[in-house]
Order: sequence, then C-alpha cells, then structure tokens
Amino acid sequence: GENVEQHPSTLSVQEGDSAVIKCTYSDSASNYFPWYKQELGKGPQLIIDIRSNVGEKKDQRIAVTLNKTAKHFSLHITETQPEDSAVYFCAASGGSYIPTFGRGTSLIVHP
Amino acid sequence: GAGVSQSPSNKVTEKGKDVELRCDPISGHTALYWYRQSLGQGLEFLIYFQGNSAPDKSGLPSDRFSAERTGGSVSTLTIQRTQQEDSAVYLCASSFGPTSGSYEQYFGPGTRLTVT
Repeated sequence: GENVEQHPSTLSVQEGDSAVIKCTYSDSASNYFPWYKQELGKGPQLIIDIRSNVGEKKDQRIAVTLNKTAKHFSLHITETQPEDSAVYFCAASGGSYIPTFGRGTSLIVHP
Repeated sequence: GAGVSQSPSNKVTEKGKDVELRCDPISGHTALYWYRQSLGQGLEFLIYFQGNSAPDKSGLPSDRFSAERTGGSVSTLTIQRTQQEDSAVYLCASSFGPTSGSYEQYFGPGTRLTVT
C-alpha cells in the first residue's frame, strides 16, 4: 500500500518568513496530492491540491510542487501570517480513492 | 451551501458503553469516509462508502467498530463496549468520488469522544 512521510513534524517561523513542508510517497500509481489545514478544534480543510500532470500550482501565498520521478511534493507558504498557524497534512491517492495521509506538521508563526 | 455536519460534537461515555456517531455528508456526494484522529496524531482511515457498493472496512481496528450508511446519505459509526483507547476525534469526510473522478474530500468538524 501507499506510505506517505511528512517532514518536519513541527515548524516555527517568524511572521513574514517562508515555510516549506515536504512529503514523500511510495506508490507510483498515486496521481492526486492534496494539502489540508487543520485549525484547533476543527476538521481539516483542503487548501490546495495538485495532480500528477502538473509540476507546480500556486494560489496567492501558497504553492505546491510535485516531482513524480523522485516521488515527493512540497507545500510552500510565503509571507507567513499568524493566522497561518495550524497543523498541515499532506496526502496521496490515485491507486484507490482512499487517500493516505502524512502525520502532519504543526506550523507556528510568531508575530 | 451546507458542509459536512457531525453530531454530537462532544461525547463522554463510560467504558463498556456503546456509542453512535452521526455524519451528514454534502448533498450529492456519493463517497463517505470515516477517520480517527488521536491527540496530536494524523488521520487513521476507518471505513469508506461509495454509492451502493460494499463498503471498504479495511481500516476498522476491531469488530467493536461498525458503520452503516442509509439511503446513500447519512452515516452512523457505532463503537460497542467502548475502551479508553477509543478516545479520539472521529472525523467524517465526503466527496463526489469515482463517479465524477473527484478525489477532493470535505471534512466535518468531528466528534470528540472521551471514554472514562
């Protein structure tokens, strides 16, 4: 089955800095890679996703890159703000419609 | 429009009791998922429903856990003879699923279960 590794588990940055979270996956059949943001006491919310026919996707301050050859994908957040503080999860799916999630990254943005 | 809703938001129960957790998916979504999230942990897949197909129960941790989905909409997750290790947040998600080639999942707010 699919295995998704996510790093780092905790990331602390100053407001205005960039943050990068990286994930690797094992199943070459995976072709859909979403990122979720989970705020305290809430369910995960989809913030951006990428499919295997695209190498990079941007949405304002967030971007995701995908390297299918190396089987890794990354989330980039620029000009971080305190409200970006949350737990971020990556996931991979495509071999089946059941995604495999990473263990999460707790992002802390210090004002 | 309305998102995924779950009830109750919090449930405290005594060890050995049965509990039922409810999920109302987004209208029109044929796929429904249940996950368990222990404190500070990732999302553990439990069960997946797609339309009228037999559910994928491969993530259920024991036979004390079961789920059903009535009329292709509302789902109930039942935990029998609860144990303290069942304490977690139970999340439900729905999606348009394979019928539309869609993988995007929309999560509910979760039910926090505490077994005392």
